[in-house]
Amino acid sequence: AQKVTQAQTEISVVEKEDVTLDCVYETRDTTYYLFWYKQPPSGELVFLIRRNSFDEQNEISGRYSWNFQKSTSSFNFTITASQVVDSAVYFCALSETDYKLSFGAGTTVTVRA
Amino acid sequence: EAQVTQNPRYLITVTGKKLTVTCSQNMNHEYMSWYRQDPGLGLRQIYYSMNVEVTDKGDVPEGYKVSRKEKRNFPLILESPSPNQTSLYFCASSWRTGGNSPLHFGNGTRLTVT
Repeated sequence: AQKVTQAQTEISVVEKEDVTLDCVYETRDTTYYLFWYKQPPSGELVFLIRRNSFDEQNEISGRYSWNFQKSTSSFNFTITASQVVDSAVYFCALSETDYKLSFGAGTTVTVRA
Repeated sequence: EAQVTQNPRYLITVTGKKLTVTCSQNMNHEYMSWYRQDPGLGLRQIYYSMNVEVTDKGDVPEGYKVSRKEKRNFPLILESPSPNQTSLYFCASSWRTGGNSPLHFGNGTRLTVT
């Protein structure tokens, strides 16, 4: 069974629009970690954020914000006022106590000028 | 500069010809891991290592081998490559076992098996 589901395969927006990427996870562990990674067209994978299961505070970093809700097992990512440089594939990932890291299938974001 | 270095970046080979993709990190990280990336499937873990001489299977280990004889190196070995192993491969490392430390990724190796 897929542990991390990113239901949106592709999202296309016009510059300055907001875009929200959904991530739903599945785990029986009480201690776990959630991550978001970005893969720009150049192909490298870049760490964006880590959240542990005990910290449900939302986080904002510049134009990026994350909404973690344990009640719905979701860890959604919003880009505010999108820019062309935000065009990338974004991956949500879950790490459980067995030390494996499970990635979602990724959401491709295209920001048009 | 702290980095994870994979080589080669691109590799084209034929079915059955053994190959090794090297991975080295200079951050003294304990945890290292290999992933393959395929369209629509995201990244899937092949093998991981929590320290020297400690390795374990990920979700898709069939057809692959690894070794961790030194802390900095974690090569991926394909003893008899097949076309279904055509993929984009990433090596990654982190300070501790993958749970609570973000991964540092190499730049990827695009493998084509004909």
